[in-house]
Amino acid sequence: DAKTTQPNSMESNEEEPVHLPCNHSTISGTDYIHWYRQLPSQGPEYVIHGLTSNVNNRMASLAIAEDRKSSTLILHRATLRDAAVYYCILRDVKAGAQKLVFGQGTRLTINP
Amino acid sequence: GAGVSQSPRYKVAKRGQDVALRCDPISGHVSLFWYQQALGQGPEFLTYFQNEAQLDKSGLPSDRFFAERPEGSVSTLKIQRTQQEDSAVYLCASSQARSPMETQYFGPGTRLLVL
Repeated sequence: DAKTTQPNSMESNEEEPVHLPCNHSTISGTDYIHWYRQLPSQGPEYVIHGLTSNVNNRMASLAIAEDRKSSTLILHRATLRDAAVYYCILRDVKAGAQKLVFGQGTRLTINP
Repeated sequence: GAGVSQSPRYKVAKRGQDVALRCDPISGHVSLFWYQQALGQGPEFLTYFQNEAQLDKSGLPSDRFFAERPEGSVSTLKIQRTQQEDSAVYLCASSQARSPMETQYFGPGTRLLVL
């Protein structure tokens, strides 16, 4: 499985934008970039995914570098509820239904 | 609609006891996954079902771990002769189809503490 690298922790203030980086230098052409997050005492939840183009949804935006070796999850206006561990995960579209391979993730703290 | 539910939410077991953890996936979801999450770590894959067929059990740490999904819906993860290192949160996830792009929906987990 292609590996991702994320900072262990980040901190931001409420109502400010947050940029969460992920490096995936060994990404293959068929790997999609997925983000999940895990709120305290809950199971992970899907945030967003993309292949090459930047993506937006109601939760976040995903900016993908042109060479696809890195990506950034953007929370446009963080709230206290966004405090969670964020996981960047690569999923190969050629494979069948497959397990998610989680790394350590980035623990995001939001200051009021 | 109802999400993935797991029971019990908390379980305390004495070392050597057998435990059974239940997962109720979202109705109609074909794929079901079990993950183990140690304290401070990301979840790690244990096993995967497509309907009632267990297609991947490569993550089960030992033969003390056993999972089943006999009718293709509810699943049970059984741990025999529990050890202290089995203490973790056990997460269940389901997805609608077999595509690798399908979102996995997670339950809240069962926190197992082995004394």
